[in-house]
Formats: sequence, C-alpha cells, structure tokens
Amino acid sequence: AQKVTQAQTEISVVEKEDVTLDCVYETRDTTYYLFWYKQPPSGELVFLIRRNSFDEQNEISGRYSWNFQKSTSSFNFTITASQVVDSAVYFCALSDNTGFQKLVFGTGTRLLVSP
Amino acid sequence: ETGVTQSPTHLIKTRGQQVTLRCSSQSGHNTVSWYQQALGQGPQFIFQYYREEENGRGNFPPRFSGLQFPNYSSELNVNALELDDSALYLCASSLSGTRVTDTQYFGPGTRLTVL
Repeated sequence: AQKVTQAQTEISVVEKEDVTLDCVYETRDTTYYLFWYKQPPSGELVFLIRRNSFDEQNEISGRYSWNFQKSTSSFNFTITASQVVDSAVYFCALSDNTGFQKLVFGTGTRLLVSP
Repeated sequence: ETGVTQSPTHLIKTRGQQVTLRCSSQSGHNTVSWYQQALGQGPQFIFQYYREEENGRGNFPPRFSGLQFPNYSSELNVNALELDDSALYLCASSLSGTRVTDTQYFGPGTRLTVL
C-alpha cells in the first residue's frame, strides 16, 4: 500500500530563515510520481512540483528547492529565505502507475513565518 | 488561479440529508477527481471521472456518487449524510485521466458542515 508521512506537524520560523519540510513515502511500485502542494488559508491546493521515480536530480526554482533520494524514500522541500507569504500548509503526495490518477497525501506540515 | 471553480463555497446540512456539490474543470481538461479533506488531515481520494465515466475510486461507500457532463464539469452527490462527512471537498482537473503523469489542478473547495 502507498503511504506518505510528513512527521513535522507545524514549523515556526522567523522571516529570512531557511526551512526544510520532510516527506517520506512508501510504495511497492518502481514507477511512481511525487508532488508537493501548498494550501494557503483560502483552501485551494496550489501545485508546486512533480517528480517521477526515475529522476533523482535535485531541483531549484527561485527560493524553493527539492531533494529526492530514492535510497531513503524521501522527497524533502526547502524554502530559502522564508517570507511571511510562505505561511501555509504544505502537502507531499504520491501517485503510482495504476492507470488512473490517484494522489495519496501526507497529513501536511503547517509552516508559520513571522516577521 | 487554476481555472477550476467549485460551488457552493459553504454548505450546511443536517444528518440524513442529501447534498450535491459542483465543479467546473479547467479549459481543455477532460478528467475530474474529487477529494475529501477532514480538518487537520490531508485530502483523501474519493473518485475520478474521465470522459463521463468513473475510472477510479477510493475507499468511500456507495452513498458517495458522481457525474461528469459532456462539457467535463462534474457533480459529487452524497446521500444519507453523516456527521463525519463534514469536510472540505476538493475538485481537481487534469488533461487526461489515462496519463498518470498529468498534474491535477485544484479548485478552492466546498466546505460542508453536517449538523
């Protein structure tokens, strides 16, 4: 069965600090896809990144970076120089190759960035 | 914004009643997925519709049903409401239900409260 674990329930930082959100996943499939979504207070899930299981290259997009390590089944997300607007709940999600799109989400990490 | 819209924004029902939630997918997308997000939890997959047919379902009872229309908009119907059905219901659209690599784009959700 697939499972996503986000052990950090809530993280509080001060603006300009770097912060890393952890994600550990479980799947028996060799082909799978990993995602990060951001959920601001408005409720809408905002897509941030997708990564497939064959691509372990780290990715940087502005202040965001992602570290995918198959050896530890982790897909961690780092925000550099955090800003108040980064305050939200962040979800890691997993999708396998079942033939239809089903996202399995973690329980989320609430990030609070104070000025 | 993703272009995915949902209505209504909020809804209050009593136990035993029936409810219909609506979703309009992003232009060009033929696949709609529905998720239930209980307070403090990650979204859970209910089902997915591709070209007006259900092509995947999560662990939800039959009283959760759906429809997809020729314009690819969708409805989620819940019969015999229970208190535990209180949640944020999220709709997501994607380009094609047969390509698991496609990203799902979420709407703002409908918050259902069952009293």
